[in-house]
Amino acid sequence: AQSVTQLGSHVSVSEGALVLLRCNYSSSVPPYLFWYVQYPNQGLQLLLKYTSAATLVKGINGFEAEFKKSETSFHLTKPSAHMSDAAEYFCAVSPFGNEKLTFGTGTRLTIIP
Amino acid sequence: DADVTQTPRNRITKTGKRIMLECSQTKGHDRMYWYRQDPGLGLRLIYYSFDVKDINKGEISDGYSVSRQAQAKFSLSLESAIPNQTALYFCATSSGDSPGYTFGSGTRLTVV
Repeated sequence: AQSVTQLGSHVSVSEGALVLLRCNYSSSVPPYLFWYVQYPNQGLQLLLKYTSAATLVKGINGFEAEFKKSETSFHLTKPSAHMSDAAEYFCAVSPFGNEKLTFGTGTRLTIIP
Repeated sequence: DADVTQTPRNRITKTGKRIMLECSQTKGHDRMYWYRQDPGLGLRLIYYSFDVKDINKGEISDGYSVSRQAQAKFSLSLESAIPNQTALYFCATSSGDSPGYTFGSGTRLTVV
């Protein structure tokens, strides 16, 4: 079985500061990992995905995530926060990549001007 | 037009009523999913379908049913709505050879 834990349901950072959103996973097989973003009153949009190739994955809007097998982590980072980054972020895991996704409980990111 | 379209966008219904949420897609994907989103709980899988003849229960299927009318259409029904089914419902699609989902914009359902 697969599961995802997102540490911190709410994270606040100042505009221009580093964004770090934490995700730890549990998987009985090599996982595929995803980060999705949800802007207010919208659906979920794929930010980036890890598919067992490069461990450092670059996504849209300047975000990136690093797969660390030894730490079972897939944390999301962005060097400099922008006001437009305010949204809810979800980490998700899937076995083999083409099976159903299991989502974390989400982290709401607030940007302080 | 959106790749994954959900109707209605918003719905208020009364306890005990039957309601259907519809999802259609133009992605050509064979796999379709229904999730519900609740604050603090993330997204939880209700039902999923890997092709027209394949329907599977997710982790929270009680009180729900689905119909896969065609490859492009996947409907979710609440046979007798109850207030704790008030939530945001998402349809998603995927292809067997490409990881990740495409989501619809969601249906906000309120049961009073």
